[in-house]
Amino acid sequence: DTAVSQTPKYLVTQMGNDKSIKCEQNLGHDTMYWYKQDSKKFLKIMFSYNNKELIINETVPNRFSPKSPDKAHLNLHINSLELGDSAVYFCASSQTSTTGELFFGEGSRLTVL
Amino acid sequence: AQRVTQPEKLLSVFKGAPVELKCNYSYSGSPELFWYVQYSRQRLQLLLRHISRESIKGFTADLNKGETSFHLKKPFAQEEDSAMYYCALSAPGGSYIPTFGRGTSLIVHP
Repeated sequence: DTAVSQTPKYLVTQMGNDKSIKCEQNLGHDTMYWYKQDSKKFLKIMFSYNNKELIINETVPNRFSPKSPDKAHLNLHINSLELGDSAVYFCASSQTSTTGELFFGEGSRLTVL
Repeated sequence: AQRVTQPEKLLSVFKGAPVELKCNYSYSGSPELFWYVQYSRQRLQLLLRHISRESIKGFTADLNKGETSFHLKKPFAQEEDSAMYYCALSAPGGSYIPTFGRGTSLIVHP
């Protein structure tokens, strides 16, 4: 009965590869997010998405793309992985797009070799 | 632009001592402020939000609009309070997407 779940929890891959991280929420929330937590534990928004609107942090490279097959899922696809992409990626959801109360997944630790 | 500043990267105290984790923000308007906590090997979770004005696990936080601060306080720290604490701000100017501070690691020694 996990509210926000991400897979995989750990991902180790080579530079240049393409990978995806999946996220699902069973809370019936309207809005989902991807945050990146770097090695210094700093949390930075990458994307916010609801049924109507995708908001992209302009600093995110276009190698990163969110894909949402339906309201309960927001997957993160990364092309041509680079060493600097190594981080923990957190998925989160909120009931609406106008609340800052987030429910987080456990995180997916990506290591690029 | 909205910004959240947590000046302390690490705060180390002994059990029973008072704790104050500092958070300052910049936003010209009325934002909503939050404290999130991440215990070891657990997911990030909401601890407090300023509009609810609750005390959770003995922690309180008061929004001071004059000083643009939202410091987290607890009178007597417990070992189980050891965790990473993030202050966050949500406001219409940022499409309500929460902006997080860098986080403060709280270590409570026995």
